[in-house]
Amino acid sequence: NAGVMQNPRHLVRRRGQEARLRCSPMKGHSHVYWYRQLPEEGLKFMVYLQKENIIDESGMPKERFSAEFPKEGPSILRIQQVVRGDSAAYFCASSPPGQQNEKLFFGSGTQLSVL
Amino acid sequence: SQQGEEDPQALSIQEGENATMNCSYKTSINNLQWYRQNSGRGLVHLILIRSNEREKHSGRLRVTLDTSKKSSSLLITASRAADTASYFCATDYSGNQFYFGTGTSLTVIP
Repeated sequence: NAGVMQNPRHLVRRRGQEARLRCSPMKGHSHVYWYRQLPEEGLKFMVYLQKENIIDESGMPKERFSAEFPKEGPSILRIQQVVRGDSAAYFCASSPPGQQNEKLFFGSGTQLSVL
Repeated sequence: SQQGEEDPQALSIQEGENATMNCSYKTSINNLQWYRQNSGRGLVHLILIRSNEREKHSGRLRVTLDTSKKSSSLLITASRAADTASYFCATDYSGNQFYFGTGTSLTVIP
């Protein structure tokens, strides 16, 4: 059973471009979380999704950021018109149905660098 | 902010010694978890302790929870060089999300 898969591992964008980060949860997991981590800091919650639904997006910036978890395919975190402050590690995590309060399985993250 | 705070920020010990990290949080919780993060990697779940539990063990890990003080501690006994990592506590109070602390960076010197 493969773990949470994130790609790309590293992503370089110039200011103003779009960044798309992908996350495939573990097989059978129906809950996906996105977190952002700045150097020497903890993880900051961004959004919590179930298939085709955004459950909690209270941590998402109001503009330029969006997330989806379609019925088929990976979850996508999309950042439009990136700025240097968006440079960070973005982690995706998943949990199985009924255990979303108990344990998160993390991917290895996508390191976004904005030039 | 509901975010937990770990203490100390950094800890350096000799191999074989015990390492203790503390976590404080601000509101009532359903459970508290500890995670480990190796440099450049995602977090790995270590242990979960529920709000009605006071102590839990898993291998060389011992976790305590004091809900009256809103604090938890993680003890790693007989540390090894491979324990070198950052350790985070995470609290769940809303059911929708986990709040992570800022982490303790542990270095175990061989």
